[in-house]
Amino acid sequence: DAKTTQPTSMDCAEGRAANLPCNHSTISGNEYVYWYRQIHSQGPQYIIHGLKNNETNEMASLIITEDRKSSTLILPHATLRDTAVYYCIVRGLSGSARQLTFGSGTQLTVLP
Amino acid sequence: EADIYQTPRYLVIGTGKKITLECSQTMGHDKMYWYQQDPGMELHLIHYSYGVNSTEKGDLSSESTVSRIRTEHFPLTLESARPSHTSQYLCASSERIDPTDTQYFGPGTRLTVL
Repeated sequence: DAKTTQPTSMDCAEGRAANLPCNHSTISGNEYVYWYRQIHSQGPQYIIHGLKNNETNEMASLIITEDRKSSTLILPHATLRDTAVYYCIVRGLSGSARQLTFGSGTQLTVLP
Repeated sequence: EADIYQTPRYLVIGTGKKITLECSQTMGHDKMYWYQQDPGMELHLIHYSYGVNSTEKGDLSSESTVSRIRTEHFPLTLESARPSHTSQYLCASSERIDPTDTQYFGPGTRLTVL
């Protein structure tokens, strides 16, 4: 799976959009971009994933650049409960059970 | 919201006790996982299962054992708990047919062995 680079930390005002960037310049054609988050002392939470096209679900939007070398996770109206560490990971195709490896992630702090 | 449950959420227990951490999911997922995670640290896969009667050890060696008698249930057992077992234990599941193995996690069990 390709390596990703994220900023260590970001702040966002409550009610504003939080835009979390991720670089994955070595991503290969069949690798997906995944986002998870982990609120302190809780289990990781799956947010969204995508291959090429932009994706949106009830939690967030994922914008992937045309060259697929970077992406942005958008939380449209951040709340205090969105304060967490956000992990961007790249995963290739495999039917087998595999270790999920997060890396260092971005600590997002939503400020009142 | 993923339907995967873990009990207990917190457990403080003395050395030498036998414990079982419960994990259940209602999504009909075939694949299930147990991870161990210390505060601020990476996830470490300790056990996984492809389905009923299938269990495998993960990358991190663990003294725990698991069983998979029913699709929805994947308990983890420590026969004799030690202080070195103090950690957070996370259960996850994924669909058999998902080619990228999207894993959904439970809330975790924080275990403290005195």
